[in-house]
Amino acid sequence: KNQVEQSPQSLIILEGKNCTLQCNYTVSPFSNLRWYKQDTGRGPVSLTIMTFSENTKSNGRYTATLDADTKQSSLHITASQLSDSASYICVVSGSYNTDKLIFGTGTRLQVFP
Amino acid sequence: GAGVSQSPSNKVTEKGKDVELRCDPISGHTALYWYRQSLGQGLEFLIYFQGNSAPDKSGLPSDRFSAERTGGSVSTLTIQRTQQEDSAVYLCASRTFSGGAPDTQYFGPGTRLTVL
Repeated sequence: KNQVEQSPQSLIILEGKNCTLQCNYTVSPFSNLRWYKQDTGRGPVSLTIMTFSENTKSNGRYTATLDADTKQSSLHITASQLSDSASYICVVSGSYNTDKLIFGTGTRLQVFP
Repeated sequence: GAGVSQSPSNKVTEKGKDVELRCDPISGHTALYWYRQSLGQGLEFLIYFQGNSAPDKSGLPSDRFSAERTGGSVSTLTIQRTQQEDSAVYLCASRTFSGGAPDTQYFGPGTRLTVL
């Protein structure tokens, strides 16, 4: 069973447009949620980390939201750039073992000129 | 070095052979993690080290998999008698340990293992 579900699986947008990626999780109890960006052939790079008490966090053109009640998170990308083409992975940590991260399968984003 | 490094970057081996994958964490990072990323799958946790000890080995898929860490730094993941289903990208990550707010894990570029 996958405790972290992401949608859509893949997304194509034009440069300059905005997009929103979704993450639903069933991990309980919950400690924190992270969004990572993974370029092809590279390791994931952290974008944001939010604890259960945080509703939103921004990192440049990336804004993550969290609703711990509905167990949903979103990652909004503003004014997309070609370099945003990557996989975006939602990662959840449970409070019993904050070191054990549970990864979603990611959303593959392609930005075209 | 500036980041987590892993070697080799690619490894092709024959079924039944043993392989060793190496991870050099960021200097000073006490925690080290191994993950496996199979094609089309999310990252799968394998093992976690705090210093040289491994408090959580629950992700190792079988007794053919083992890992060690010496000197609180370099770690080696060993896969014995490799099988085709072991083919994947093996990622290593490290982080400091603040004991407070969640810390970022910094990932290496991974080792792509192909078992023929």
